[in-house]
Amino acid sequence: DIQMTQSPSSLSASVGDRVTITCRASQGIRNYLAWYQQKPGKVPKVLINDASTLQSGVPSRFSGSGSGTDFTLTISSLQPEDVATYYCQKYNNAPYTFGQGTKLEIK
Amino acid sequence: EVQLLESGGDLVQPGGSLGLSCVDSGFTFRTYDMSWVRQAPGKGLEWVSTIRYSGSGTYYADSVKGRFTISRDNSKSTLYLQMNYLRAEDTAVYYCATMLPYFAYWGRGTVVTVSS
Repeated sequence: DIQMTQSPSSLSASVGDRVTITCRASQGIRNYLAWYQQKPGKVPKVLINDASTLQSGVPSRFSGSGSGTDFTLTISSLQPEDVATYYCQKYNNAPYTFGQGTKLEIK
Repeated sequence: EVQLLESGGDLVQPGGSLGLSCVDSGFTFRTYDMSWVRQAPGKGLEWVSTIRYSGSGTYYADSVKGRFTISRDNSKSTLYLQMNYLRAEDTAVYYCATMLPYFAYWGRGTVVTVSS
């Protein structure tokens, strides 16, 4: 099975900073990758699908890139409301594995 | 609009069984693959199982294979998860999710606690 590895596992940054989270698949998954945001005590929400397609209503400061095995989620200017745990997930085929998550905090 | 509502979560003893349901109040349930995803306390998201829109194909995580059964009734817009031989490590919030094919819509979750 393909493993999904995120880094870092936690991150502390200042408001206005550019933040990058990476996700690596152990085998190629083309662009079948989604990013989710889960705020504390809330249900996960999809931010990006197909590696780089921003979901409707998601702020444009979020962006995704990558294909194959290496993917990136970028927040161009961190805002206080972005405090959350972020997960990548593959969906080319089962098992639909998630990365272990990246907990993002404000410094 | 897809609106998912899970039910059936409870406290159950190790080795016991429990059935979960997820009702879709929208109008497109029968056209989408559906999944269960769980989250243990303080842990990350774990995909559990998926069923194709027609019910013809089912997939399971290794951690639940042989113990859990996913099914659906398209006439009732309802997804099910039958969980047998429950273990302490199955304790989690269980979410149902609509696949587009990523997990586009999520329910609020139902809590399963396995403890004696």
